[in-house]
Amino acid sequence: DIVMTQSPDSLAVSLGERATINCKSSQSVLYNSINKNYLAWYQQKPGQPPKLLIYWASTRESGVPDRFSGSGSGTDFTLTISSLQAEDVAVYYCQQHYNTPRTFGQGTNLEIK
Amino acid sequence: EVQLVESGGGLIRPGGSLRLSCAVSGFSVSTEYMIWVRQAPGKGLEWVSVIDSGGRTSYADSVKGRFTISRDDSKNTLYLQMNSLRVEDTALYYCAREIKSVGADHWGQGTLVTVSS
Repeated sequence: DIVMTQSPDSLAVSLGERATINCKSSQSVLYNSINKNYLAWYQQKPGQPPKLLIYWASTRESGVPDRFSGSGSGTDFTLTISSLQAEDVAVYYCQQHYNTPRTFGQGTNLEIK
Repeated sequence: EVQLVESGGGLIRPGGSLRLSCAVSGFSVSTEYMIWVRQAPGKGLEWVSVIDSGGRTSYADSVKGRFTISRDDSKNTLYLQMNSLRVEDTALYYCAREIKSVGADHWGQGTLVTVSS
């Protein structure tokens, strides 16, 4: 199974500042034939199901604000929130879609400083 | 409008069985990848199972041999049959539509399964 490891486990950032969350996979999730990384990011607010934010490591889902961006390739990925808003307080998860089981990272709890 | 509504959760003793349902509207389960994901209280997300448009299935090691994913195309409903339940299966169970190689773009609100004596 591909192990997904996020860092940090929790993060406190001031409003308007940048938040960065990292995700590392135990093996590459790059599908070479189409040059796509099968890596997604989700946001989960308290009492709500997860919401897909980014797929293919860097493509924003429709309706997701452009302050959210994803980067990385192969085994190392980053989710960046360029200017933290109060409504961004949530737990963020990465997940690989390269194979089954489709493993998630352990989650990063993002709070306001 | 896309909607997924889970049901069937509850309190069950260890060793018991439960069947979860996920009633879908807004798309056909028969043409999509459908998944179950669970979340133990206060914990992270755990992928449980997938059924693809061809009916092929896959399971997490933690549930393999005990859980069975299926669908009824005529009812547009996804199921998760859970047998030999363990205390560690206690969780909120979500169903979701998965776009292959992209991610899960539509989720239900979840149904809570509590396994306890």
